[in-house]
Amino acid sequence: EAQVTQNPRYLITVTGKKLTVTCSQNMNHEYMSWYRQDPGLGLRQIYYSMNVEVTDKGDVPEGYKVSRKEKRNFPLILESPSPNQTSLYFCASRPDRMSDLFTDTQYFGPGTRLTVL
Amino acid sequence: AQRVTQPEKLLSVFKGAPVELKCNYSYSGSPELFWYVQYSRQRLQLLLRHISRESIKGFTADLNKGETSFHLKKPFAQEEDSAMYYCALSPYTSGTASKLTFGTGTRLQVTL
Repeated sequence: EAQVTQNPRYLITVTGKKLTVTCSQNMNHEYMSWYRQDPGLGLRQIYYSMNVEVTDKGDVPEGYKVSRKEKRNFPLILESPSPNQTSLYFCASRPDRMSDLFTDTQYFGPGTRLTVL
Repeated sequence: AQRVTQPEKLLSVFKGAPVELKCNYSYSGSPELFWYVQYSRQRLQLLLRHISRESIKGFTADLNKGETSFHLKKPFAQEEDSAMYYCALSPYTSGTASKLTFGTGTRLQVTL
């Protein structure tokens, strides 16, 4: 089944304790992206990646890092989490525009609810 | 810079009533517009996109470049339409992938 998976789905942590949220897709998509969803603010893009070893900042990258060492994985790293990073995080993927499989549709993961105390 | 505005946080309608979820955008170039929907406890999924001019689950949306709007409409609301709806914009480029900017979302509540 074609899908985007995220782990963990729920996480409660404390300020300053490094954490990683994993994202994996099995559709061979080039483009992957991370969003955070907050009440009243909708979804805001954190980082995106157009392909392996190619990443770029979205609208709210502060406090986050990403890496794209393999095509299928796009982990989100919080080196020193703070309470204002408490949010619902979504990973998404889609084929590259130049691909024969290109579609505008972004496939979203189930979300990771993060609480930073 | 690109921006998407959804002026209503909550839209409450009766079953069978018409629905219009508003979306306005600002972008200097040629945008691609989408509507995404998030049902309770489910992941975000694409509802429709302006370039395909399709009707999904009875919903339609027309891109009005003069008014920079992409309102989502349905003539008769159903209970199962209750969800969070997000309008999104992607700048059209002939190159590789580009950013997707979302509006703040409108919660549609359909009541009996």
